[in-house]
Amino acid sequence: EVQLVQSGAEVKKPGESLKISCQGSGYTFTNYWIGWVRQMPGKGLEWMGIIYPGDSDTRYSPSFQGQVTISVDRSISTAYLQWSSLKASDTAMYYCATFSGGTDNWFDPWGQGTLVTVSS
Amino acid sequence: QSVLTQPPSVSGAPGQRVTISCTGSSSNIGAHYNVHWYKQFPGTAPKLLIYGNSNRPSGVPDRFSGSKSGTSASLAITGLQAEDEADYYCQSYDTSLSGWVFGGGTKLTVL
Repeated sequence: EVQLVQSGAEVKKPGESLKISCQGSGYTFTNYWIGWVRQMPGKGLEWMGIIYPGDSDTRYSPSFQGQVTISVDRSISTAYLQWSSLKASDTAMYYCATFSGGTDNWFDPWGQGTLVTVSS
Repeated sequence: QSVLTQPPSVSGAPGQRVTISCTGSSSNIGAHYNVHWYKQFPGTAPKLLIYGNSNRPSGVPDRFSGSKSGTSASLAITGLQAEDEADYYCQSYDTSLSGWVFGGGTKLTVL
């Protein structure tokens, strides 16, 4: 069974750094893209970016370019989403999902989500 | 403001049929990119409901169907059940943004 397991909830202060993770299992990790999606409290889904674990090819949404960094560690089948300086507006649920690549494809399955709370 | 526009809410009585629209433009749905649909219960991760405009993943009841025409797509749910009450999102690709986009989401209430 293809499964993505994300790291636990985080509570941080503005200006702090953070790296959350998404570990894949049940499939060949390097063969499928992984995408990150933000959901702010009470709001909809926003695509942030995707990474191809095979060669670390990364694409960012223009809205998130320069705001976050997506990376991967193939040795442990894990993708990461990181911030160098968090803002209160980064408070949200963050989901990872596998993605077959290509413009016409979809996100499936999804991780359980990581809640990030940024508050002074 | 989402690139793909969905009604904020729809409702229907048990057994009825409801549809959820997803309106795009010539840079996404109208550019012949596929539309996919997700279902999300509060506090849980989204789950794929329809892919490639009208295909159901294994395990999704045939009460759910998708269609696409021009710059819009629709999700239809027949024989409405209490467990269909959830948020529904459409997703496609946008060539102007060079990325994947979601609709704003529609909350389905079963009366």
